[in-house]
Amino acid sequence: KNQVEQSPQSLIILEGKNCTLQCNYTVSPFSNLRWYKQDTGRGPVSLTIMTFSENTKSNGRYTATLDADTKQSSLHITASQLSDSASYICVVSAMHAGNMLTFGGGTRLMVKP
Amino acid sequence: GAGVSQSPSNKVTEKGKDVELRCDPISGHTALYWYRQSLGQGLEFLIYFQGNSAPDKSGLPSDRFSAERTGGSVSTLTIQRTQQEDSAVYLCASSLGVGGPGETQYFGPGTRLLVL
Repeated sequence: KNQVEQSPQSLIILEGKNCTLQCNYTVSPFSNLRWYKQDTGRGPVSLTIMTFSENTKSNGRYTATLDADTKQSSLHITASQLSDSASYICVVSAMHAGNMLTFGGGTRLMVKP
Repeated sequence: GAGVSQSPSNKVTEKGKDVELRCDPISGHTALYWYRQSLGQGLEFLIYFQGNSAPDKSGLPSDRFSAERTGGSVSTLTIQRTQQEDSAVYLCASSLGVGGPGETQYFGPGTRLLVL
C-alpha cells in the first residue's frame, strides 16, 4: 500500500531559527515528490517538486532534498519568519493515472516571535 | 478565473440532509480533483475528472457521495443523507491535464462542511 509518513507532527520554533521537516514514503512506482504549504483556512500551495533524478530543489528560504534510494525527503526552512506558520504537506506521485497522489499527514509548524 | 474557486465557503447542515458543493476550476484546466480534509487529518482523495474520460471514483467513501462535471468545467460534489462523520473541509483542485502524473495542482480555498 502506498504510504507517506511525515515527522514531526507539529513543531514550534522561534523566529529566525532554521528547521527541517521529514517525509518517508513507500509509493511505487515513484514519479515525483512535492512539498505543499497550507495556511490555516486556505488550500495547499506547491513549494517544490522533485523527480527521481533530483537530489535538491530550492524555493527562496525553502530547500527540499530527496533520497530516492532510502525513499526519504526533507524540507529545510532557513531563517524562519512568522508567515512560515502553516502545515507542510509531503505529496508523492506514482506513475499511473487517476488517483496518482499520496498525501502525508502534514507537519504543523508554528513560528513564534 | 484567476484561481480555483469553491462555494459555499462554509456550510452547516443537519444530519440526513443533502448538500451540494461547487468547484470552478482554472479556465483551460482539463483535470479536476476533489479531496476531503478532516480535522487534524491529511488530505484524502475522493474523485478525479480528466477531460471527457470516465471519472476515477475510487476514493469516494460511500455511495452517498457523487460528483459531476458539466461541460468539462464546473464540478459539483453531492453528499446525500449527510452524517456527522462527513464534517470536513472539502478541497477542489485543478491542473492542466497534459503534464502526466503529478503535474501541479492548484487548490481552491475549500468548503467547510459541518453536519450537526
